[in-house]
Parts: sequence; structure tokens; C-alpha cells
Amino acid sequence: QVQLQESGPGLVKPSETLSLTCSVSGYPISTYWGWIRQPPGEGLEWIGSIYHTGSTYYNPSLRSRVAISLDTSRSEFSLKLTSVTAADTAVYYCAHILTGPYYFDYWGQGTLVTVSS
Amino acid sequence: VLTQSPGALSLSPGQRATLSCRASQSVSNSYLAWYQQRPGQAPRLLIYGASTRATGIPDRFHGSGSGTDFTLTITTLEPEDFAVYYCQQYDSSSWTFGQGTKVEV
Repeated sequence: QVQLQESGPGLVKPSETLSLTCSVSGYPISTYWGWIRQPPGEGLEWIGSIYHTGSTYYNPSLRSRVAISLDTSRSEFSLKLTSVTAADTAVYYCAHILTGPYYFDYWGQGTLVTVSS
Repeated sequence: VLTQSPGALSLSPGQRATLSCRASQSVSNSYLAWYQQRPGQAPRLLIYGASTRATGIPDRFHGSGSGTDFTLTITTLEPEDFAVYYCQQYDSSSWTFGQGTKVEV
């Protein structure tokens, strides 16, 4: 059974760095993974993706502030978003990407991150 | 850019729902997917490759279309189908979602 679980602080202060980890079980980590977020009451926004080779791809609107990394030994991948503002308040999802058709077939349950002082 | 219409659809159980997703540039059929999101839940993959149902998805869900115009049809709405639906495309290592269509009672 494939399981993805996001973890990290639920509250981050403005101008600080948001850090989340996605722990993966039931699926080889050596594949393609992504982060998606959803502000309260709004739609889905792709943040970025990472391939098991270490290649990363980011939403152009967030590229200057985002970094995604992969730790194959721990079967987890991580998201860092710097210089956060209230506009970064959202539910953050991690997901598996099926290579080839490039859709998100497995999702974590999501974690709400609030940016507030 | 993916533009979904309508923004909201008010229907009753048993009725047919037709949701549209229009792309600003031509999309390969292989790279167009649809997701369902119920309140408080993560999105769930419904359709990939524009028309292939994902595992476990009932056959009342149909995806169609090509080029820049894609459609998700729910032939007979069940109570659990009232949710928000998103289309998603992939192009050159970039993923984009539509803004969503809410199917409401």
C-alpha cells in the first residue's frame, strides 16, 4: 500500500523558511515526486518536482524561493520555501508522479501551513 | 494556461454533468488528467491520458477531447460525486492545473 505523509511546522513566521518533508512507504523512492499547494478556498498550484536522479523542476512563479531535495536512504523528499509571506499560507501536498504520462497518482493527505507572526 | 468552465455547476443526483477544460496551447492527449477533490480530502486521480479511467473509478466518469478542448462527463451523478474537479496538463517538465469546477447540489 502506497503511503505519503507530509510533516513539518504548521506555523511559520513571515520572512522565514517553510520546510516540509514527505515520507514515502510502499513505493520505490527512485522515481518522480512533486509538491502541490492549495491556499484556503482556492485551487491547486504545482510547486515543483524532483526526479530520482536529482533533477528538479520548479514553477516559474516560485523558482527563486523553492528548493526540493530527495533522500533515498530515508525514502523521503523535502520542500523548502524561503522568504514566506501570508500568501504562502496553504495546504501543502506531496505526490507521486507516474513517469511517462506525468500525472499525480498518489497523494499525501496534506498539511496546512500558516504564515503568521 | 488551463481554463475550466463553468466555475460552478448546480445539479441534482441522477443528472448528467459536463465539465470543460480549455488549454491556451495544444496539449498532447497523453498529458491531460482530471482529478476529483472532496471537501477536506486530497485530490484523487480520475482520468489520465484524456480518456482513461484510473483504477477503481466508476464507468459513469468519461473523459474526452483533444488539442485544446477537453471534457469530463459524469453520466449520472451520485451523491458522492458532488465535489470540485480539476484538469491538469504536463508540458516540458512543467505541470499546470485548471482553476476547478465545483459540482454542487
